[in-house]
Amino acid sequence: DVKVTQSSRYLVKRTGEKVFLECVQDMDHENMFWYRQDPGLGLRLIYFSYDVKMKEKGDIPEGYSVSREKKERFSLILESASTNQTSMYLCASGGVANIQYFGAGTRLSVL
Amino acid sequence: GENVEQHPSTLSVQEGDSAVIKCTYSDSASNYFPWYKQELGKRPQLIIDIRSNVGEKKDQRIAVTLNKTAKHFSLHITETQPEDSAVYFCAATSNDYKLSFGAGTTVTVRA
Repeated sequence: DVKVTQSSRYLVKRTGEKVFLECVQDMDHENMFWYRQDPGLGLRLIYFSYDVKMKEKGDIPEGYSVSREKKERFSLILESASTNQTSMYLCASGGVANIQYFGAGTRLSVL
Repeated sequence: GENVEQHPSTLSVQEGDSAVIKCTYSDSASNYFPWYKQELGKRPQLIIDIRSNVGEKKDQRIAVTLNKTAKHFSLHITETQPEDSAVYFCAATSNDYKLSFGAGTTVTVRA
């Protein structure tokens, strides 16, 4: 079974704080993704990575950055959290045939 | 980039009836179309997918059809059961591993 683990299920942060969301996969997948899920907007891609130290912007990268120092780990960074970044964040990893496996999600509240 | 539209946004069906969700896509180069199911409080999981060299695919009570000329694809659930209640997402990609998701359909199966 593929396992994609996100470090926190719930997180509460203050406006202006630096926030790190961590994701680890155990399937040796090349590709990893960060999505944001908001009601009525579906899953929107923030960033993805197709190899260690490689990253590409998704559809909504503003206000976010990422880090992939090791193949199994992909981190999403909010440099200065804002209230409009309150959301559910989903990490996914993908191997052959485009199939993506999702983590359980981190519900982030920025106050 | 790819734009995927999904309809309806909500769907309520009587147990035992059929449910149909439709998606359209914009990029004629798209060739992989997965469907993900997200139960309440859980992660999205792939339930069925179809590639552009196939017009229809079936797996027990669920089926997906693809019309490449019209650029639309649909999910069909027959003999709906309470456990089919969930949010369903369609997606499309043109082989670059980056899935573009629809906004989601909330399906409620009434007992």
